[in-house]
Amino acid sequence: DVKVTQSSRYLVKRTGEKVFLECVQDMDHENMFWYRQDPGLGLRLIYFSYDVKMKEKGDIPEGYSVSREKKERFSLILESASTNQTSMYLCASSLKDGYTFGSGTRLTVV
Amino acid sequence: QKEVEQDPGPLSVPEGAIVSLNCTYSNSAFQYFMWYRQYSRKGPELLMYTYSSGNKEDGRFTAQVDKSSKYISLFIRDSQPSDSATYLCALFKAAGNKLTFGGGTRVLVKP
Repeated sequence: DVKVTQSSRYLVKRTGEKVFLECVQDMDHENMFWYRQDPGLGLRLIYFSYDVKMKEKGDIPEGYSVSREKKERFSLILESASTNQTSMYLCASSLKDGYTFGSGTRLTVV
Repeated sequence: QKEVEQDPGPLSVPEGAIVSLNCTYSNSAFQYFMWYRQYSRKGPELLMYTYSSGNKEDGRFTAQVDKSSKYISLFIRDSQPSDSATYLCALFKAAGNKLTFGGGTRVLVKP
């Protein structure tokens, strides 16, 4: 089974902090994605990557950046965390069209 | 207008009932259709996948696609309390290489 592992289940950070969310997949998938999920707004795509060192903006990239230095690892970076970035963050990977998701990181910014 | 519309629910049914979920979409470029199930505090997991109009069955689950009406459905027969979750439709168009999700429908199956 493909596994997508997100390093933290719960995080609490202060406003203005730089936050790193890590995601690792173990099935050599080329595509990786970062979403945030909020009540009433569903899943919104932040950034995605088709290959190492490649990245594409999703629907809501503002306030975020990403890094993909190795195929298996895709990091989401909040440059200066704000309270409106409190959310559930989900990482996913895919070979083509069926995504496999991690368990999510619930981030609270205080 | 959103590309994919899904009623958020909640949908509450008694155990053993048939659960009927649906999504409508506006872009005929969508080619592949999926349903994901998401339990509370977990990531979504792929439940059903189909790419053509018609029905696809897998155990108690049936996915239905009507491309002419741009309408997809998921039916759960003999529903169980363990089916209580949020169900998300997800649509894929080859150009763009990414899924578009519906907002999800929360389902509660009462014993």
